[in-house]
Amino acid sequence: NAGVTQTPKFQVLKTGQSMTLQCAQDMNHNSMYWYRQDPGMGLRLIYYSASEGTTDKGEVPNGYNVSRLNKREFSLRLESAAPSQTSVYFCATTYFGGLDGYTFGSGTRLTVV
Amino acid sequence: SQQGEEDPQALSIQEGENATMNCSYKTSINNLQWYRQNSGRGLVHLILIRSNEREKHSGRLRVTLDTSKKSSSLLITASRAADTASYFCATAARGQGAQKLVFGQGTRLTINP
Repeated sequence: NAGVTQTPKFQVLKTGQSMTLQCAQDMNHNSMYWYRQDPGMGLRLIYYSASEGTTDKGEVPNGYNVSRLNKREFSLRLESAAPSQTSVYFCATTYFGGLDGYTFGSGTRLTVV
Repeated sequence: SQQGEEDPQALSIQEGENATMNCSYKTSINNLQWYRQNSGRGLVHLILIRSNEREKHSGRLRVTLDTSKKSSSLLITASRAADTASYFCATAARGQGAQKLVFGQGTRLTINP
């Protein structure tokens, strides 16, 4: 039972390069989220998908796009990476309504040079 | 912007002592949740308290919520070295179809043997 799986775990990009962060869950959860965590900043919501077929912006969506591929998978794309996007990215999932709490993946540590 | 403000930012105590962390927030909430993050790992859900609840227990954890003061506290009793981690409060606002959690900046707890 893997829970929430994020790939890759580490990535170094050059400024201007693009990449996609993958998230897959086997929790049968409806809602999926992408957060970024910067030192001293807590977690900030980038995008979320309340259910399959829907996506919405969070607090810090600029520079990112998302795709809810199916119920299990939610990807985050950086089209043209910038040093300000250096961060640790977390995917999280929950049932619609969220009263069971979120389940987090182990994160992707991204460095943009 | 962050919804939650946590206090203290860092706490160091001896094993066996109790640890108390506080969280204040700004807007009306549906529920408040506490998460633990071990260094370099994803967040783990600890406990959820609804806006109509005042206190909740789970093992060695006790959470209180005072909606009039817009504040919550997390008490860990009889601390252990394994409790060393960062602890985050997160609030879910009222009136949202899909829950979006807004996280505080966290309290870094160190348990000294």
